[in-house]
Amino acid sequence: AQKVTQAQTEISVVEKEDVTLDCVYETRDTTYYLFWYKQPPSGELVFLIRRNSFDEQNEISGRYSWNFQKSTSSFNFTITASQVVDSAVYFCALSMDSNYQLIWGAGTKLIIKP
Amino acid sequence: EAGVAQSPRYKIIEKRQSVAFWCNPISGHATLYWYQQILGQGPKLLIQFQNNGVVDDSQLPKDRFSAERLKGVDSTLKIQPAKLEDSAVYLCASSLAGGEAFFGQGTRLTVV
Repeated sequence: AQKVTQAQTEISVVEKEDVTLDCVYETRDTTYYLFWYKQPPSGELVFLIRRNSFDEQNEISGRYSWNFQKSTSSFNFTITASQVVDSAVYFCALSMDSNYQLIWGAGTKLIIKP
Repeated sequence: EAGVAQSPRYKIIEKRQSVAFWCNPISGHATLYWYQQILGQGPKLLIQFQNNGVVDDSQLPKDRFSAERLKGVDSTLKIQPAKLEDSAVYLCASSLAGGEAFFGQGTRLTVV
């Protein structure tokens, strides 16, 4: 069965601190995709990144970086020098090549204090 | 490029009443999803369309929920009759096959 686990329910840090959101996934498929979405208080889910199972290179986009490790089935997300605007719920999700449906984690609520 | 449009943004109804939500996906996106997101949880897929055909509706409570996507573009999701536990945000998303899903702002439904 496929599953995504985000063990951190809520994280609170002070602005400018670095913070890492954990994501662990389960699947027996060899081809799959991993995603991160941000859901600010306005409610809209905002796409951040998609990574396929054959590309283990880490990615950096500005203050955001992602660490994909197949050996530990993890796809962690780090925000460097956090800002108040980063406050949101962040979801990790998994989809298989066959149907592209997203299997979602429960989300991590990130609070950045000024 | 216009995003996924949903209406209404908010709806309050009494239990046993009916309600309908509308979604207009991004132009050219063949895949359309309806999700239910209960407060504090991740989204739960209700139904997935590919053009105007249903790919998966295994988690749609078919005794009270229905959805259609006529002409493979706009979609409506209906609940009849509503129950208190249907209170949630209903999210519509669209994608190109295999690509990331783009979400609308959702409809927040409160059943009282």
